[in-house]
Amino acid sequence: NAGVTQTPKFRVLKTGQSMTLLCAQDMNHEYMYWYRQDPGMGLRLIHYSVGEGTTAKGEVPDGYNVSRLKKQNFLLGLESAAPSQTSVYFCASTQDFNQPQHFGDGTRLSIL
Amino acid sequence: RKEVEQDPGPFNVPEGATVAFNCTYSNSASQSFFWYRQDCRKEPKLLMSVYSSGNEDGRFTAQLNRASQYISLLIRDSKLSDSATYLCVSRGAAGNKLTFGGGTRVLVKP
Repeated sequence: NAGVTQTPKFRVLKTGQSMTLLCAQDMNHEYMYWYRQDPGMGLRLIHYSVGEGTTAKGEVPDGYNVSRLKKQNFLLGLESAAPSQTSVYFCASTQDFNQPQHFGDGTRLSIL
Repeated sequence: RKEVEQDPGPFNVPEGATVAFNCTYSNSASQSFFWYRQDCRKEPKLLMSVYSSGNEDGRFTAQLNRASQYISLLIRDSKLSDSATYLCVSRGAAGNKLTFGGGTRVLVKP
């Protein structure tokens, strides 16, 4: 059972480039989340989804877009990468918002 | 003021000792809380859930004080493997989202 899988694990981009981070979960969870983690800041919610076809903004959504076309996948897009988006990105999922979230092992993204 | 605040530490703990640290939250409507453990450059992993006044799991005890709006985590008989960052997390009244504290770093030394 893979749980939550994030692709890629590492990436270096140049300013202005675009890319998509993929999160896939095989637990049939309804809720999925994208966070970023910066030193001393804890995890901050970028966007989340409460079900297939739905998305909502979190605490720091600017510069990112998301899509949830399939229940098992939650995509995070950077249309024009900026150095301020250098961070570690974590995806998480849960079946019920009363339950804890399960995390992927992260994507380390550097923007030069 | 951050919604969930933690002392960043580090707490330097001799092996076998007891360590405790708190997390304060500002949203009185927060419904439930979690403690996650995060090892360096790894993903957060659930340590324990705190739904009422507290919870105990082996060497770990979490207590919730709603009047003073804080949650504590106590680790007894500390092991070297307990060295990690402990994240305090609250779930708000809306329920859809979690709010993470910045984490408390614990270093257990021989």
